[in-house]
Amino acid sequence: QVQVVESGGGVVQPGRSLRLSCAASGFTFRNYGMHWVRQAPGKGLEWVAIIWYDGSNKYYAESVKGRFTISRDNSKNSLFLQMNSLRPEDTAVYYCVRDVANNHFDYWGQGSLVTVSS
Amino acid sequence: QSALTQPASVSASPGQSITISCTGTSSDVGGHNYVSWYQQHPGKAPKLMIYEVSNRPSGVSNRFSGSKSGNTASLTISGLQPEDEADYYCNSYTSSNTRVFGGGTRVTVL
Repeated sequence: QVQVVESGGGVVQPGRSLRLSCAASGFTFRNYGMHWVRQAPGKGLEWVAIIWYDGSNKYYAESVKGRFTISRDNSKNSLFLQMNSLRPEDTAVYYCVRDVANNHFDYWGQGSLVTVSS
Repeated sequence: QSALTQPASVSASPGQSITISCTGTSSDVGGHNYVSWYQQHPGKAPKLMIYEVSNRPSGVSNRFSGSKSGNTASLTISGLQPEDEADYYCNSYTSSNTRVFGGGTRVTVL
């Protein structure tokens, strides 16, 4: 069955960096675009970034552009999110999500909590 | 990119119908038929309920339906049941190749 499992979350100080990973299984990873979506505690969903199936295109939310980088390794069925210059407002559960037809999301991971605090 | 506008909360009794609106602009909701809806129960990951405005994935009850008029999309839940109590989010593709969510709607079954 399709599974995406996030890892790498934790507590980090403002201004520092953190890298999230997502391990995919149960489907042909290299055929699908992938997203990161986040949810601050008690708040709504916020789309963060997308990477196309082959890594050729990447798009970001304005709130993270220039600080976050999405990448993938199709040989290892893995998705990544490099987060630099972290701010307290980046505190959230980060979900790894599969894209379908470049317009909606079908499979979501259980999320990885990132807390930015001094 | 501003978040799409949804009502904060909607409530109704079991068996009744509710409609949740999702208002955007011609750059997102109005410009494409790529609106999707997600249900999220507390502590759980979101679940796809509707895609491409009005299509239901396999396994989703036919009590859930979607539509769109101009810059506003809508999710209707008919025959409301206790298990429908959850948060609902709309999402749209945008002309900048990004995605945008609505602020979310808390559905309460009275």
